[in-house]
Formats: sequence, structure tokens, C-alpha cells
Amino acid sequence: DTGVSQDPRHKITKRGQNVTFRCDPISEHNRLYWYRQTLGQGPEFLTYFQNEAQLEKSRLLSDRFSAERPKGSFSTLEIQRTEQGDSAMYLCASSLTDRDFQFSYNEQFFGPGTRLTVL
Amino acid sequence: KNEVEQSPQNLTAQEGEFITINCSYSVGISALHWLQQHPGGGIVSLFMLSSGKKKHGRLIATINIQEKHSSLHITASHPRDSAVYICAVRSRIQGAQKLVFGQGTRLTINP
Repeated sequence: DTGVSQDPRHKITKRGQNVTFRCDPISEHNRLYWYRQTLGQGPEFLTYFQNEAQLEKSRLLSDRFSAERPKGSFSTLEIQRTEQGDSAMYLCASSLTDRDFQFSYNEQFFGPGTRLTVL
Repeated sequence: KNEVEQSPQNLTAQEGEFITINCSYSVGISALHWLQQHPGGGIVSLFMLSSGKKKHGRLIATINIQEKHSSLHITASHPRDSAVYICAVRSRIQGAQKLVFGQGTRLTINP
């Protein structure tokens, strides 16, 4: 399977614990995005990377959240001291964007998501 | 008011009916996406368009840039089309790459 993969698919944790999610983008995709989706709502942007550089962060990404993409391939999203309000689906997407931002390469491909439940 | 609004929020129809889901947005965009999300969460991209019309099988997507409006049509709907359909836009601001999503339309097709 050459699509975007996420691990784990489901995570149940107790309030106050730290959790880490992993996203493996489509090979050679240089952009990687994290979104969060709460029940009944559309996804909301959290952050995105161009290769290993984190270029934009949403105000939704509090200081308890940190994302990395150390080698420009896979990415991790860590939530420290989880709260019940962090319960959501965390979605990862990737895209291939060339230097001139050619439109045809900007489509984002989504992973299956990691569903987090904080008890 | 959200930057991307979809209507209806919920839609139930009988198998075979023609389905239309609407999306209106308030910002200048470089692209609009229609996405499909099945129970369990996985999102599949159906269309990405910036003008005109695209067709794939029984699905048709149209966009009117002047009116800031897009529609997704499903012809000869089938129960397997039941899913949440999400409209998302990418800002026209240079460098902006994030998608802004509508709240989704939950479609249920009954046999």
C-alpha cells in the first residue's frame, strides 16, 4: 500500500498522560499536514511541514502539542498532559508541491486517521 | 460565519435519486476540494477543481468562482454512496497551503 498511513488507528488514554502519533506520507511527498476533527465537525488545520521545516502552526496547537518531521519523511504529533477536550480524530495528509506551486501537484492525500479518546 | 458553508447538513434519499450538495465560501481560493469520509474516519479525495466542471463516474463537481459556490452531484445514487461529503478550500494567499473545511454533509441512501 503506497498511501498515507497512520499509527495507531485508535488510542485510549487517561487524562494527563502523553500520547504520540505517527504519520507516514506518500513516498516523495514533500508536504505533510496535520488536521484535527471533532465529532460532527469538519477537520481543522493544525500544522504543516515542507520537508523537515514546520512552516505554519494553527492557534489550535497549544504548547502541549508538538509536531516533528526530523528527516522530511515521517512525522510525529505528540500531545502532552492530555485533556478530555483533546479527544478527536487526528488526520494526516501529504502532497507533492514543486517550487513553482504547480496546481496539479497540490492535491492532498489523507491517511485513515488516529482516533484519540481521553478518559 | 464559517468561511466554508455546506448545505444541507443531512440528506436522506432513496436509491436512484439525483443528489446535490452545495458549498459556499467567503474567501478567495486557489482550489476547492470535495472529499468523502466513511464511518471510521478515512478521507478520500473526490475532486480538486479551480474552475468549470469535473466528472468521475456518477459524480460531478462544478464550481462558479464569481459566485463563490460549488456543487457536488451524484447521479443514480446507491446505498454505498452513504458517507459524509466535505467541501474544503485552499486560500489564494500565496504560500497558504492549509485547507479550510466545511462542516460536512451526511448523506444516507436507503435501498
